[in-house]
Amino acid sequence: AQSVTQLGSHVSVSEGALVLLRCNYSSSVPPYLFWYVQYPNQGLQLLLKYTSAATLVKGINGFEAEFKKSETSFHLTKPSAHMSDAAEYFCAVSRNTGGFKTIFGAGTRLFVKA
Amino acid sequence: DGGITQSPKYLFRKEGQNVTLSCEQNLNHDAMYWYRQDPGQGLRLIYYSQIVNDFQKGDIAEGYSVSREKKESFPLTVTSAQKNPTAFYLCASSPSHRGETEAFFGQGTRLTVV
Repeated sequence: AQSVTQLGSHVSVSEGALVLLRCNYSSSVPPYLFWYVQYPNQGLQLLLKYTSAATLVKGINGFEAEFKKSETSFHLTKPSAHMSDAAEYFCAVSRNTGGFKTIFGAGTRLFVKA
Repeated sequence: DGGITQSPKYLFRKEGQNVTLSCEQNLNHDAMYWYRQDPGQGLRLIYYSQIVNDFQKGDIAEGYSVSREKKESFPLTVTSAQKNPTAFYLCASSPSHRGETEAFFGQGTRLTVV
């Protein structure tokens, strides 16, 4: 069975500070991993995805994530937060075997303080 | 512009009524999905369709129905059997049903029972 755990429903950082949003997954087979961003009252937009190529994945808006199999983690980082980064972020895991199933985490809301 | 259009953006339903949420895509994607979003619970899959005239139940299909008569359209009906329909509904599509392909989301419909 697959599952996704996002540590921290809310994260607050100062503008210019490091952003770190945590995601741990469980999957019995090699997973595909995604980070999406959602602005208020809008749909989700893909930030980046891991599909078994490079373990360090770069995405849009300066975000990146590193796949660590030993830690079953796929944490999202950005070196310097901007006010426009304030949004909700979702980690998701999927696989091809055993039929389609994408599981979304509960989300982490990022607040950026001036 | 290619994308996914959901309508209406806001919808109010009286108890006992059926309502239909529209989802149209012009991305020529084969797969389409309906998710329900509640605060703190992430996204939960209601129904998905891999191809025209075929659809499958997701995790929370009870009280909902769908159709896929055209490739570009995947309407969702929230029936009176759905006891707690107030939520944010998201439609998505992807080029295929394979796990490594990301989903493209519409802007969502917020349904409120009055």
